[in-house]
This record gives sequence, structure tokens and C-alpha cells, in this order.
Amino acid sequence: KAGVTQTPRYLIKTRGQQVTLSCSPISGHRSVSWYQQTPGQGLQFLFEYFSETQRNKGNFPGRFSGRQFSNSRSEMNVSTLELGDSALYLCASSAGQVYGYTFGSGTRLTVV
Amino acid sequence: QKEVEQNSGPLSVPEGAIASLNCTYSDRGSQSFFWYRQYSGKSPELIMSIYSNGDKEDGRFTAQLNKASQYVSLLIRDSQPSDSATYLCAVPPEAAGNKLTFGGGTRVLVKP
Repeated sequence: KAGVTQTPRYLIKTRGQQVTLSCSPISGHRSVSWYQQTPGQGLQFLFEYFSETQRNKGNFPGRFSGRQFSNSRSEMNVSTLELGDSALYLCASSAGQVYGYTFGSGTRLTVV
Repeated sequence: QKEVEQNSGPLSVPEGAIASLNCTYSDRGSQSFFWYRQYSGKSPELIMSIYSNGDKEDGRFTAQLNKASQYVSLLIRDSQPSDSATYLCAVPPEAAGNKLTFGGGTRVLVKP
């Protein structure tokens, strides 16, 4: 059974640019969540989608957005990149809370 | 008070000993509790989930939950050097069940 797939693995962007990250969940999982991990702030929740609807949103500025497609694949977008957006972005999928959440390998974004 | 708190460590244990990790949480309504292991440069991996008060054992891992005292712990028996990693406690808040709130993680070092 394939795991959670995130692309790309690494990205280097310049301040002010925008970036789109992709996540393909485990087959059958309809919930997809996104997290940002930095050394200073740890793992922080960005948002969660279920059946193409955003169900939860974390405390991030509006520059961070996401969406989910009918096949449960999800994308997140960060516009007007700032140096502080440099982080590991993790996607997690779930078949339901009681089953836990499986993380992808992450996308490491560096903003220069 | 942080929503989920862990000692950052490092927790240094000799090979073959028991590593004991603790996590406290603030939301009394939380119903699910997860432990993740994260190796340096890798994404978090779910190792234990627990939902009821008491102990749950899986191989060398035992999770313990005490909802009245709002803490969850993880014991690693017969610790091996390969257990050296950061262990993250994750708790979904009652009001936002599909969002994981993570503690800062406890770094464990198992010395041969």
C-alpha cells in the first residue's frame, strides 16, 4: 500500500515568490492535513481538508492557502514568500481520528 | 500554559534500559492521544495511539494514559541505539478533532 506522497522534496525560492506543494494521500483516506515544522516553533497545524472542504485552519496568515481535489489529493500554496517561511512542510492523511495520521516525507522549502 | 507539553531532553539512557517519556495536555475533552517518532531529517512516524485510561502495549512500547491527571506517557523497554530519535506527543483538541496539537518533542539518546 503506497504511503503519503509529497512533491517536490526540496524547493529553493526567492522572497516574494509563491510556491505550490502537492500531497497525495494514502488510497481511501479522505482527510488531508498540512503542518509546518521549524526548529523554533516545532510542528504547527496549517489546515485540514475532508471531501474538498476545509474543516480546520491554524493560526497562519492568509498567504497560506490550500485546496483538495475530488480524488483527495491536496495542494498548499504560499504566496509572497518570506524568509521565515523556510521550513519542512508535512502532509498527513487519515482514515479517521481513531486510526491516527500518516505523514509524508515532507517538502523542505528554503526561501532566500 | 502550552496545550501539549513535553520535556525537551535529551533523555540519555543506556542500551537495554527503560526510557520513560511524559506528556501533559490542557484540553480535558481530548479523547485520542498519539506518540510519533521522528528521526533527524525524517518525517514523524506513528508508533502508538491510546484512547482509554490505563496501559497499552505494543512490542517494546507501552503507552499509559491518565485522563484525570491529563497526562500520557510512553515507555520504551530494552532501549536500543536505533531508538535514538525525537518522540512527539500529539493530541487532537476536543473542539477540532482532526487537528493534531504537538508537544515540542523529547529527544532520546540511547548509548551502547
